[in-house]
Amino acid sequence: DAGVIQSPRHEVTEMGQEVTLRCKPISGHDYLFWYRQTMMRGLELLIYFNNNVPIDDSGMPEDRFSAKMPNASFSTLKIQPSEPRDSAVYFCASREGTSGRSYNEQFFGPGTRLTVL
Amino acid sequence: RKEVEQDPGPFNVPEGATVAFNCTYSNSASQSFFWYRQDCRKEPKLLMSVYSSGNEDGRFTAQLNRASQYISLLIRDSKLSDSATYLCVVSEDGGFKTIFGAGTRLFVKA
Repeated sequence: DAGVIQSPRHEVTEMGQEVTLRCKPISGHDYLFWYRQTMMRGLELLIYFNNNVPIDDSGMPEDRFSAKMPNASFSTLKIQPSEPRDSAVYFCASREGTSGRSYNEQFFGPGTRLTVL
Repeated sequence: RKEVEQDPGPFNVPEGATVAFNCTYSNSASQSFFWYRQDCRKEPKLLMSVYSSGNEDGRFTAQLNRASQYISLLIRDSKLSDSATYLCVVSEDGGFKTIFGAGTRLFVKA
């Protein structure tokens, strides 16, 4: 398996622009997570999905952020409009359901490094 | 008070040393506990789960103290390759809502 795939790996954009981050979880994983990592705040859980349904989005910072999972193999995190304080590394992670052998482990993608000028 | 607190370090130790990290968490209802490792500019990766009875994986030993709400990680015989940031992770909500500590940086020197 290729692991969790994220694109783009790097994104530089200007304030006010729309940004879309993409994630392909590991095949067969029932849960998908979006995280944001900054020096100041560390790694923060933004939202997670179970079987394509958002379960907890309490970590989403504000209405400018939205996430979707239209099918089991694809998710997007959108920021519209983007602001300089959104600059961070955004990670996507996936894990098995509770019946899996290694259900405790979250597998992270390589991340998208976002810079908003 | 942060939900998961760690000493940020850095810890600078020579090869072969034993080093210990501690982590405290605020929610007594937390259900699952982990240590993740993150190399510079890389994604976090699971190092080990932490069980109530304590568990060992080679040179790494993890302990959980629910009464005091802290978790520890002990690394014996440190290697240069152990240099990384170690993240303490606590899960709520049936083990899915994960809260990461800010991480402890370790540098192992030759």
